Amino acid sequence: SYELTQPPSVSVSPGQTARITCSGDALPKLYAYWYQQKPGQAPVLIIYKDRERPSGIPERFSGSSSGTTVSLTITGVQAEDEADYYCQSADRSGAVLFGGGTKMTVL
Amino acid sequence: QVQLEESGGGLVKPGGSLRLSCAASGFIFSDYYMTWIRQAPGRGLEWISYISGSGDTRYYADSVKGRFTIARDNAKNSLYLQMNSLRVEDTAVYYCVRDLEAFDIWGPGTMVIVSS
Repeated sequence: SYELTQPPSVSVSPGQTARITCSGDALPKLYAYWYQQKPGQAPVLIIYKDRERPSGIPERFSGSSSGTTVSLTITGVQAEDEADYYCQSADRSGAVLFGGGTKMTVL
Repeated sequence: QVQLEESGGGLVKPGGSLRLSCAASGFIFSDYYMTWIRQAPGRGLEWISYISGSGDTRYYADSVKGRFTIARDNAKNSLYLQMNSLRVEDTAVYYCVRDLEAFDIWGPGTMVIVSS
């Protein structure tokens, strides 16, 4: 079955750049989306259509795509960015898929 | 203000049923697809169902197909999830989510616990 693969965890120091990847065979043909989830809270959309940022999301969050991999980049990481991050896309039948999530720790 | 608020969660025995509701406000409800997404304790997000704005189109994940039914009442700005034949593995927080290509608005979630 089709899957989206994310690293389980990443660690980054404040002020540095974090990159979280998401791999899937259908990603060259389908858009990817990214969500941030802090403990005890509902997820928040931070990137849509691979690289678009909703209003209110800080500019330090950006998305990119290359082949079967999409990436979320956080430039100048802040302590408040510590969270779980999920990529999302779909398979060819239209079913929605989420990656397994990446726990980002700010050291 | 755009808001979604789930209700109806609780403790239910395996094989039992539960109906979740979601009250929407602050936007034209009938203009949007709506989706249910769940998250088991300590686990990732799992999409389970969506419904079109008119209610004519519904789609389910294989894990809930035949057991769960999504519905909406646009006159009441409400989304529903009827869950039958519940299993222990259905234990999760259930989120009601607005779907405009991306899942842009989420409710706070309601907890469903399936346990004997």
